[in-house]
Amino acid sequence: GAVVSQHPSWVICKSGTSVKIECRSLDFQATTMFWYRQFPKQSLMLMATSNEGSKATYEQGVEKDKFLINHASLTLSTLTVTSAHPEDSSFYICSARVSAGGRAFFGQGTRLTVV
Amino acid sequence: KQEVTQIPAALSVPEGENLVLNCSFTDSAIYNLQWFRQDPGKGLTSLLLIQSSQREQTSGRLNASLDKSSGRSTLYIAASQPGDSATYLCAALMDSSYKLIFGSGTRLLVRP
Repeated sequence: GAVVSQHPSWVICKSGTSVKIECRSLDFQATTMFWYRQFPKQSLMLMATSNEGSKATYEQGVEKDKFLINHASLTLSTLTVTSAHPEDSSFYICSARVSAGGRAFFGQGTRLTVV
Repeated sequence: KQEVTQIPAALSVPEGENLVLNCSFTDSAIYNLQWFRQDPGKGLTSLLLIQSSQREQTSGRLNASLDKSSGRSTLYIAASQPGDSATYLCAALMDSSYKLIFGSGTRLLVRP
């Protein structure tokens, strides 16, 4: 199956700093990638849809100025958590599909801890 | 608004038992239904994908069925093994938006 690589797998940062998470599709091109957030023992909540070459589409309640998404190429999308606070601590996972209605492949996830 | 529900939330079974995980969705306008496995602190592994026109898919000891009209899907695991212990998530891919909506998951523990 297709491979999606996410980096870093975990990060600890100080409150007020920014953190960038990368999501790469290694063996296929993805015009669209998806960013999810997962709280402990809860399901995945879609944060935003990342579109190559255009602005991301954010879900209701997600602050676009706090969670900056850039999809500069067909194989790379980045999520930057700006001015991070402890409540931003969570597990962030990206996903990509070969086609719009195809199987979804997920990155390994990034555990963000803001202290 | 699509809502995906999984029952039970947690399940503990002895090794070798056959088991069924349930998934229900409120909006039948789905493109496909996918089942994933998630190990603690890890990403998701795709297990099975059932297109809306299909009734079931099989992979090894796993069999997933889909009844779109009733808004239900089941994941059947045969001869469970301790290595099957994980959280299983179902997700519906919406027809209109192509957004993947997840259920809350079933945490499975297979005891040796």
